[in-house]
Amino acid sequence: NAGVTQTPKFRVLKTGQSMTLLCAQDMNHEYMYWYRQDPGMGLRLIHYSVGEGTTAKGEVPDGYNVSRLKKQNFLLGLESAAPSQTSVYFCASLRSGDYGYTFGSGTRLTVV
Amino acid sequence: AQRVTQPEKLLSVFKGAPVELKCNYSYSGSPELFWYVQYSRQRLQLLLRHISRESIKGFTADLNKGETSFHLKKPFAQEEDSAMYYCALRANAGNMLTFGGGTRLMVKP
Repeated sequence: NAGVTQTPKFRVLKTGQSMTLLCAQDMNHEYMYWYRQDPGMGLRLIHYSVGEGTTAKGEVPDGYNVSRLKKQNFLLGLESAAPSQTSVYFCASLRSGDYGYTFGSGTRLTVV
Repeated sequence: AQRVTQPEKLLSVFKGAPVELKCNYSYSGSPELFWYVQYSRQRLQLLLRHISRESIKGFTADLNKGETSFHLKKPFAQEEDSAMYYCALRANAGNMLTFGGGTRLMVKP
C-alpha cells in the first residue's frame, strides 16, 4: 500500500517548456487535490477533483491544467512554464466521508 | 471566502518551555479546523482536528469562535516537536482545505 505517489520528485525546466506531474493513489479515494507550497504563503490550492472525470479550479489555477481520467490518477500540467511556477507541488487525496488528507512527498520544480 | 492566518513564521523555544502556535481564521459558516505538521524530510500529516478535542503528542487546540482562533498548545516542548506547522480550515464544497502560511517551530536543547 503505497498511499500517494508523486512523480517526478525533482525537475528543472526552462521557461516555456511543458511538463506533467503525476499523482497516483492506491486507496480508492474519491477526492484529489494539487497544492503548491511557497515560503510564507503556506499551501495554496491549484485544482481539485471530487471524482473520476471531474475537475475544478482552486485558488491559483492560472497556468495549470489537470485531468482525472482514472480514479487513481490526477495529473497536473504546465503548458508553458514560467519562473513564477517555481515551487514545491503537493498532491493529496481524501476518502469520501473522511477528514484527514493523505499527502504525497512533493515535487520540487524549478523554472529557469 | 475563508482565510487562515498564522502570524508567526518562526517560533523558537527551549526544550521544556510551553509552546503556543497561533492561528486565526475568517469564515462565514461553521468552521472545521485542523492542524497539520511536516517534520523534516517527511510528508505533511494531520496532527489534530478541532472536533475530536483530543491531545496528540501532547498538543491540544481549542476552537474559540468568539476570537475566531484555533491556537495550538503544548505545555512542555520537546526537541522532536521541531517542524513546520500548518493551520487549515475545511470548506464544505469539495472538502477543500485552506491553509495558513505556516509556522516553523524550533525547539532548542
